[in-house]
Amino acid sequence: SAVISQKPSRDICQRGTSLTIQCQVDSQVTMMFWYRQQPGQSLTLIATANQGSEATYESGFVIDKFPISRPNLTFSTLTVSNMSPEDSSIYLCSGAEVRLSNTEAFFGQGTRLTVV
Amino acid sequence: SQQGEEDPQALSIQEGENATMNCSYKTSINNLQWYRQNSGRGLVHLILIRSNEREKHSGRLRVTLDTSKKSSSLLITASRAADTASYFCATADRGGKLIFGQGTELSVKP
Repeated sequence: SAVISQKPSRDICQRGTSLTIQCQVDSQVTMMFWYRQQPGQSLTLIATANQGSEATYESGFVIDKFPISRPNLTFSTLTVSNMSPEDSSIYLCSGAEVRLSNTEAFFGQGTRLTVV
Repeated sequence: SQQGEEDPQALSIQEGENATMNCSYKTSINNLQWYRQNSGRGLVHLILIRSNEREKHSGRLRVTLDTSKKSSSLLITASRAADTASYFCATADRGGKLIFGQGTELSVKP
């Protein structure tokens, strides 16, 4: 399986600012996704990062708040814009190579964001 | 949005005992996967079971899938203190998108 590196691993940010999280995969993958995990909760899918086109957002998430880029098959960024304390979460990047019914996703170590 | 429920939400057992976690989901699936997460870190993939499979084994792990009941279970046999973690089931559609369950927090006491 591929290895995903996320940067930064953690950050403490002031409210009203923005943070861009980078996700680098060591091999080309068809699909890349961004998830949020609020404290003590499960993972919630934010969006599917599409190469060369706009990301596909899940209900409750919008591009203005979480702009996503995916310039190629190995790299994606997620920006958390105009942050508030409610954005304090772990943000995880995921990659998947679609193979019939055997598609397995793998994850980066996550970015722990604290907004003060 | 969450796919369904996992139970129990928390499970505490002694080392050597077996741990069983259950997962229910709502929609049709391509496959179902189980992950482990230690202390809010990244997820580790444990096992994948396809929608046309009923049971799968991997080491001390045994996963079952009942698509008629839209449910799955994960059994960890002969548990160890190192198995202490949160366990999540996730259903996958054909595009690889995962929808996670609420998770079970497992504590294995030495």
